[in-house]
Amino acid sequence: QSVLTQSPSASGTPGQRVSISCSGSSSNVGLNYIYWYQQLPGTAPKLLIYRNDKRPSGVPDRFSGSKSGTSASLAISGLRSEDEADYYCAAWDDSLSAYVFGTGTKVTVL
Amino acid sequence: QISLKESGPTLVKPTQTLTLTCTFSGFSLTSPGEGVGWIRQPPGEALEWLAVIYWDDKKVYSPSLKSRLTVTKDTSKNQVVLRMTNMDPVDTATYYCAHDYGESTGYYGLDVWGQGTTVAVSS
Repeated sequence: QSVLTQSPSASGTPGQRVSISCSGSSSNVGLNYIYWYQQLPGTAPKLLIYRNDKRPSGVPDRFSGSKSGTSASLAISGLRSEDEADYYCAAWDDSLSAYVFGTGTKVTVL
Repeated sequence: QISLKESGPTLVKPTQTLTLTCTFSGFSLTSPGEGVGWIRQPPGEALEWLAVIYWDDKKVYSPSLKSRLTVTKDTSKNQVVLRMTNMDPVDTATYYCAHDYGESTGYYGLDVWGQGTTVAVSS
């Protein structure tokens, strides 16, 4: 099972702000960069946030990442129907010497 | 522009060895910092990181699968090959390869992914 824990689901209406949490430990989130990936239905994952809070070119500024201690968050502001997807956090784990993904959060736009 | 594409069998039998090839373009695995990672996703489940190989031939494997995995690169063909031995039905999943890049200040994430290839394990 994953060492990064996410809430299974989150939802909001169009225009609302939704926040997704990622809980880890001192060997992963507490020590290393956090990455966030978006997986639209039936497609490959896409990098959304790297190095805790950086957005790759082309990712809207509605998406923002933050980290505090052994937890991290992804916020989606101005929620849109096309944001309906699964979201995964990830980080390097020094104890495991491996890259680990979170359990995933399904975001539903009501 | 970076792109990657996975190829390999769609069906393997239990105990067989799975061989998947990732063919990429837009970068070279001879350039410092460049890497290719492998990730899988069982149907309806979360992503699972498997392995990564870097330009300097450094390889890192998932601890839980390390004994079954081998990753190699062929820089002349711009290909990375993943081999997984002793396949079991629980290994049924979509397998992805992805571009990885890092430098002394850290890594930039798996920024470009292949479309994935679905592998079923069944007799």
